[in-house]
Amino acid sequence: SYELTQPPSVSVSPGQTARITCSGDALPKKHAYWYQQKSGQAPVLVIYEDRKRPSGIPERFSGSSSGTMATLTISGAQVEDEADYYCYSTDSSPNHKGAFGGGTKLTVL
Amino acid sequence: QVQLVQSGAEVKKPGASMKVSCKASGYSFTGYHVHWVRQAPGQGLEWMGWINTDSGVTNYAEKFEGRVKMTTDTSITTTYMELSSLRSDDTAVYYCTSSSGEFDYWGQGTLVTVSS
Repeated sequence: SYELTQPPSVSVSPGQTARITCSGDALPKKHAYWYQQKSGQAPVLVIYEDRKRPSGIPERFSGSSSGTMATLTISGAQVEDEADYYCYSTDSSPNHKGAFGGGTKLTVL
Repeated sequence: QVQLVQSGAEVKKPGASMKVSCKASGYSFTGYHVHWVRQAPGQGLEWMGWINTDSGVTNYAEKFEGRVKMTTDTSITTTYMELSSLRSDDTAVYYCTSSSGEFDYWGQGTLVTVSS
């Protein structure tokens, strides 16, 4: 099955820039999506189609993708951004099987 | 407003089957696939598959092939996910989600506990 690889944890101080990466063989051809999940809540989409930000998501959230790696960047991270972040994409097979990365715990302190 | 409302928590015995429902409202039901995603306690998100709510075509993750069945009843805008031969490691919160691009909505989650 298709695998997306994320670092288990990232830690920054408030106001710093946090970068969370997601690597996968099909990312040169497939879009990446990023979800934020806080404890006990359903995930929330923060970036779709590599770099687009849904309405209501703060501008400090941005996304990029190059080759086999997609990156979620939080510029000027806030304490309230502390959460688990997951990337999602599909493989390059005709069946378009989906997969989530293992998740990255972002600590802002 | 867009809502996905799932059925309530369940406790199942090993070897049994589970069936979770997901009722959609507030949008064109047949315009978007419904995906099912699960999350075991303290673990990450796991994609289980999707169903095309218009055609009924399904696409399951290889891990669940042969054990999962997703169906839809357009008359009541409800999607179902059935998982059979339950094991203890199927204990998880199961989510339905309807998404396409920026359109992305999740149900509240259904906790299914598999225990003897």
